Amino acid sequence: VLTQSPGTLSLSPGDRATLSCRATQSVNTNYLAWYQQRPGQPPRLLIYRTSSRATGIPERFSGSGSGTDFTLTISGLEPEDFAVYYCQQYGDSQFTFGPGTKVDVK
Amino acid sequence: QVRLQESGPGLVKPSETLSLTCTVSGDSVDSGNHNWNWIRQRPGKGLEWIGYIYYSVNTIYNPSLRSRVTISVDTSKNQFSLHLTSVTAADTAIYYCTGGTVNWFDPWGQGTLVTVSS
Repeated sequence: VLTQSPGTLSLSPGDRATLSCRATQSVNTNYLAWYQQRPGQPPRLLIYRTSSRATGIPERFSGSGSGTDFTLTISGLEPEDFAVYYCQQYGDSQFTFGPGTKVDVK
Repeated sequence: QVRLQESGPGLVKPSETLSLTCTVSGDSVDSGNHNWNWIRQRPGKGLEWIGYIYYSVNTIYNPSLRSRVTISVDTSKNQFSLHLTSVTAADTAIYYCTGGTVNWFDPWGQGTLVTVSS
């Protein structure tokens, strides 16, 4: 099971966002990914293998972590970054998502 | 560039079978380059992985849905499909098809809303 915190993060453009994803059991770092979902759109892959940016993802997005604790950091929020972010892991032949963190405008 | 597009009925009656198709362009469903997944999102809720098919015949399903789910491939049409039996209102959701590996889900279709109602 994955939990994400906070549930909502209220920030201003230009702020640094730090999103947490915690697992109840240790996760192989190869199998931890992050997605962004804007309203009315499908999720978009941001980060895979804990810290690798997907094609076309800006450098302000970075991922880190190991074991049961993982972090997505957005170094300076742009207007298009206000969205919901999900972590996702693969283990025991199944995939699970966290409940999401909503980043909204303060 | 791989693109995916879901299609199927937007309304299904309770106890009936939900059937959706995903048309793939830019890759072959039997290439082995991707696992082909179905993921759903209930209204206003998070994401739930349903299952995937790889190498056209091997399937892995979410244990919570395994008894009701079948995912299959039609190589002649370059499509893969989802069948979910005995649906209830709890199956009302946006259904996404995606490519992927064990490391990620990408690309994603735009999603299709399926409502279960009489």
